[in-house]
Amino acid sequence: DIQMTQSPSSLSASVGDGVTITCRASQSISDYVNWYQQKPGKAPRLLIYAASSLQSGVPSRFSGSGSGTDFTLTISSLQPEDFATYYCQQSHSTPRTFGQGTNVEIE
Amino acid sequence: QITLKESGPTLVKPTQTLTLTCTFSGFSLSTNGVGVGWIRQPPGKALEWLAVIYWNDDKRYSPSLKNRFIITMDTSKNQVVLTITNLGPVDTATYYCAHETTVTPRRFDYWGQGTLVTVSS
Repeated sequence: DIQMTQSPSSLSASVGDGVTITCRASQSISDYVNWYQQKPGKAPRLLIYAASSLQSGVPSRFSGSGSGTDFTLTISSLQPEDFATYYCQQSHSTPRTFGQGTNVEIE
Repeated sequence: QITLKESGPTLVKPTQTLTLTCTFSGFSLSTNGVGVGWIRQPPGKALEWLAVIYWNDDKRYSPSLKNRFIITMDTSKNQVVLTITNLGPVDTATYYCAHETTVTPRRFDYWGQGTLVTVSS
């Protein structure tokens, strides 16, 4: 199985801050990474696919980058609705493993 | 508009078998490339990918499930069923089904609301 390691596991930030979350794959997976946002009690929501493609309807303050084994999700200016947990997922092969999540909290 | 909804029992006893149904609309599992997957999330923990079934009845499972999970589809009913045998407390989780895109790189672009299953005597 391909392991996906996210960091940090949690972070505190203020509205307007820029935030970066990283995800490292245990082997090279090209650009086969997706990013999801999950709010308490809700299903995950797809934000970014293929490492850097913005899903329809997702604000442009979200962006993704990376290739091979190292990937990042960046939120350029945190908004109140962005406080949530974020997960990376690899779609290179099955099982399509998720990272352990990054909880973005209000500072 | 694609929608998915999970259904099944909310409380089951250890060692029993659980059957969860994902009923969807807005797409067909007869369409080339389409997949429906199951993902679960124990309370307060991370997402765990469980299994996926494709339009051609290709099935993939997480190796860690130790052969306790079976995924099937009924294209006439627009349903995907996940069966889990020999339940234990570790299977307590919210179970989600999700639509996997037909094109690569694949991703789960539509999700059901999830259903919480508690395993307890």
